[in-house]
Amino acid sequence: QMQLQESGPGLVKPSETLSLTCSVSGDSISRYHWSWIRQSAGKGLEWIGPVYNTGSTNNNPSLRSRVTMSVDTSKNQFSLKLRSVTAADTAVYYCARDNGSGSGLSNYFDIWGQGTLVTVSS
Amino acid sequence: EIVLTQSPATLSLSPGERATLSCRASQSVSSYLAWYQHKPGQAPRLLIYDASNRATGIPARFSGSGSGTDFTLTISSLEPEDFAVYYCQQRNNWPPTFGGGTKVEIK
Repeated sequence: QMQLQESGPGLVKPSETLSLTCSVSGDSISRYHWSWIRQSAGKGLEWIGPVYNTGSTNNNPSLRSRVTMSVDTSKNQFSLKLRSVTAADTAVYYCARDNGSGSGLSNYFDIWGQGTLVTVSS
Repeated sequence: EIVLTQSPATLSLSPGERATLSCRASQSVSSYLAWYQHKPGQAPRLLIYDASNRATGIPARFSGSGSGTDFTLTISSLEPEDFAVYYCQQRNNWPPTFGGGTKVEIK
């Protein structure tokens, strides 16, 4: 059974870079597409963007200029970097599997990690 | 982007009762709407996709309906494990967006 687990620092200083990793177990990361999603008190659930099984990425326009995502097939992991963080980036960050098959995204999410809380504070 | 408005914010019901949750979109999302269940400290769980299709392993007491801008999630008879927060999500327009959630609590 596939499982996802987010990891990374729980505290990041303002203006620095938030870095998270999602470790996938139970199947090959290359078979699926993935997404990052976050949940903050102020904005609810917010989709950050997808990581295709080819390594291509795309981002929510609201975050596009600050986000970098990548996949490491050798480690069965994918990652998120969010630059120049502010208190508004404080949230629980989730990684999730896209429910689609084939080359395209379904943009439904059928397996999620439990989430990791990242607080932006000095 | 499309705004999804869920109502009510909180639904207080007893086990065995029927739950009816609403999700309204700011513009048509066709049938491209999903529902998720979320319990504290757990991973969210996909219940329904494309408005009315149950995801793998989801009990038949969960059903979804609607199209365009108005959608409903119905839990026919609440089990103790169904008390949670429920979110709707659309994928018709980029970027995908989520509703603010409905909490189903024990009365």
